[in-house]
Amino acid sequence: NAGVTQTPKFRVLKTGQSMTLLCAQDMNHEYMYWYRQDPGMGLRLIHYSVGEGTTAKGEVPDGYNVSRLKKQNFLLGLESAAPSQTSVYFCASTRPGVYEQYFGPGTRLTVT
Amino acid sequence: GENVEQHPSTLSVQEGDSAVIKCTYSDSASNYFPWYKQELGKRPQLIIDIRSNVGEKKDQRIAVTLNKTAKHFSLHITETQPEDSAVYFCAASISTDKLIFGTGTRLQVFP
Repeated sequence: NAGVTQTPKFRVLKTGQSMTLLCAQDMNHEYMYWYRQDPGMGLRLIHYSVGEGTTAKGEVPDGYNVSRLKKQNFLLGLESAAPSQTSVYFCASTRPGVYEQYFGPGTRLTVT
Repeated sequence: GENVEQHPSTLSVQEGDSAVIKCTYSDSASNYFPWYKQELGKRPQLIIDIRSNVGEKKDQRIAVTLNKTAKHFSLHITETQPEDSAVYFCAASISTDKLIFGTGTRLQVFP
């Protein structure tokens, strides 16, 4: 039981490049989330999904897109990376009716 | 929407002393208040939580108190140890859909 995993762990992008971050969970959770963590800013919700095929915007959705084609996977895309998107990205998941969220190990992204 | 403020941003205590971190929330409909601990380079993990129908909850050396009238809740750590050093996040939620996190408190416990 791997829990929540994230791929890749580290990535460096140049401004304007695109990339996709993958989050996978093997706990059969319905709800999945993408956060970004910046110094002094806490964890800010980017997008989330309450089920396969559904997505919703969080607090800071601009510049990101997401897809949830399979229940176990939640993809975060950056179409044209900007230095302001340098951050640590965390994925999390949980079940309906259960408030506790289980986090992945994080992806450190640097945009130069 | 919900807004959560957390204070202080950094806290230094001597081993064995107590530490208190405070959070306020804006939406009176919020009914769930968790605390997460994040050690350096690691993922956030839930350490304790409280629902709006409870005023206080304890788990060994940690406790959380909730004042619904004032819309604030606090984390109390007694007999602090060096392994308590971490960043602590509070959060608030209206539903199981999503959490709104505070900005974090870096706690340092000196031996």
